[in-house]
Amino acid sequence: NAGVTQTPKFQVLKTGQSMTLQCAQDMNHEYMSWYRQDPGMGLRLIHYSVGAGITDQGEVPNGYNVSRSTTEDFPLRLLSAAPSQTSVYFCASSYASGVWGGTYEQYFGPGTRLTVT
Amino acid sequence: DAKTTQPNSMESNEEEPVHLPCNHSTISGTDYIHWYRQLPSQGPEYVIHGLTSNVNNRMASLAIAEDRKSSTLILHRATLRDAAVYYCILRPHGGSQGNLIFGKGTKLSVKP
Repeated sequence: NAGVTQTPKFQVLKTGQSMTLQCAQDMNHEYMSWYRQDPGMGLRLIHYSVGAGITDQGEVPNGYNVSRSTTEDFPLRLLSAAPSQTSVYFCASSYASGVWGGTYEQYFGPGTRLTVT
Repeated sequence: DAKTTQPNSMESNEEEPVHLPCNHSTISGTDYIHWYRQLPSQGPEYVIHGLTSNVNNRMASLAIAEDRKSSTLILHRATLRDAAVYYCILRPHGGSQGNLIFGKGTKLSVKP
């Protein structure tokens, strides 16, 4: 298994540009999520999905869109990039959410380092 | 969401045991205690989790207080590769999302 993969590894955007960060997992996990990590900080949840066709907002959703058309993929779209979105973005997946969610570990991707100038 | 409290940083010598504490006084009966660690420039990785009983795996041991208001992650013999930020997180068992809420964690330094 490749686990959780993210592309690109690095990206530089100008203010106002849009782009999509890709995330894929090959473990047939129901639950997927996106986090951002600013320097010296812990991770903050942006959006998450408990299954194909179902998404919801996390702690810091403004400026980001997600969709989940398949179990495997969970792309994160930046609509109009701003310098405040300069961060490292991590995608994660987990076997299950819901009633049994607490019993399963989350698997994280290697991250995408985004710089917005 | 129930919160956790961890020391900002800890130091250890290589090949010695390390005890990383976590307080979670507002834990609910259905919260699992999860530990993750983040090596420099990498994504977080799962270490261990438990509910009420102490747990062991190949990476570490988790000791949970009888009242569940605190827990301790034990690395039996620290290596240089264990230098990382360690996060103690409560994950709901019966919740509809199971989201992980990260704090700032404990930065562990390991001296040769």
